[in-house]
Amino acid sequence: EAGVAQSPRYKIIEKRQSVAFWCNPISGHATLYWYQQILGQGPKLLIQFQNNGVVDDSQLPKDRFSAERLKGVDSTLKIQPAKLEDSAVYLCASSFSSGGNEQFFGPGTRLTVL
Amino acid sequence: QKEVEQNSGPLSVPEGAIASLNCTYSDRVSQSFFWYRQYSGKSPELIMSIYSNGDKEDGRFTAQLNKASQYVSLLIRDSQPSDSATYLCAVNSNSGYALNFGKGTSLLVTP
Repeated sequence: EAGVAQSPRYKIIEKRQSVAFWCNPISGHATLYWYQQILGQGPKLLIQFQNNGVVDDSQLPKDRFSAERLKGVDSTLKIQPAKLEDSAVYLCASSFSSGGNEQFFGPGTRLTVL
Repeated sequence: QKEVEQNSGPLSVPEGAIASLNCTYSDRVSQSFFWYRQYSGKSPELIMSIYSNGDKEDGRFTAQLNKASQYVSLLIRDSQPSDSATYLCAVNSNSGYALNFGKGTSLLVTP
């Protein structure tokens, strides 16, 4: 079974530029999560999708971050404009359903904002 | 604010010893508990899940849960240098929302 796929793996941009990350979850997983992990911290949820609907985006900085999951499969997370403090690893995870189900992570995208 | 607390370490144990990693959580309605292992520069890898009070064993790993004390732990028996990593405790309430992670405990197993 293929795992969660993410691209790109690394991205370096200047502040105020825009960037987009892509995620394809494990086949059959209805729930998709985007987490932000800053060095030395645990992952922090940005947004959770159940199929193509948003379940929780309370911690998403909506003035600069946006995400979509059209057709309920793959997802895109965008940052526009980027700030220095957005430098982090962006992790996508998926689970069969929400609630107590086990979540599996993709390899992540390491973003550096200069 | 739902909190998950872990000692950041580093926890250093000799090869072959038992490593004990601890985690406390603040949300009393939490129902699901997970341990992830994260090697430097890699993404978190699920190693254990536990949902009811008591012990759950999987190979060299044992997860222990005490909901009354709001405490979950991970024991690694016969620790190997390859176990050296950061171990993340994650907690999920029954509300259908995502995991709440601790900051992780760094484990170093010395030969």
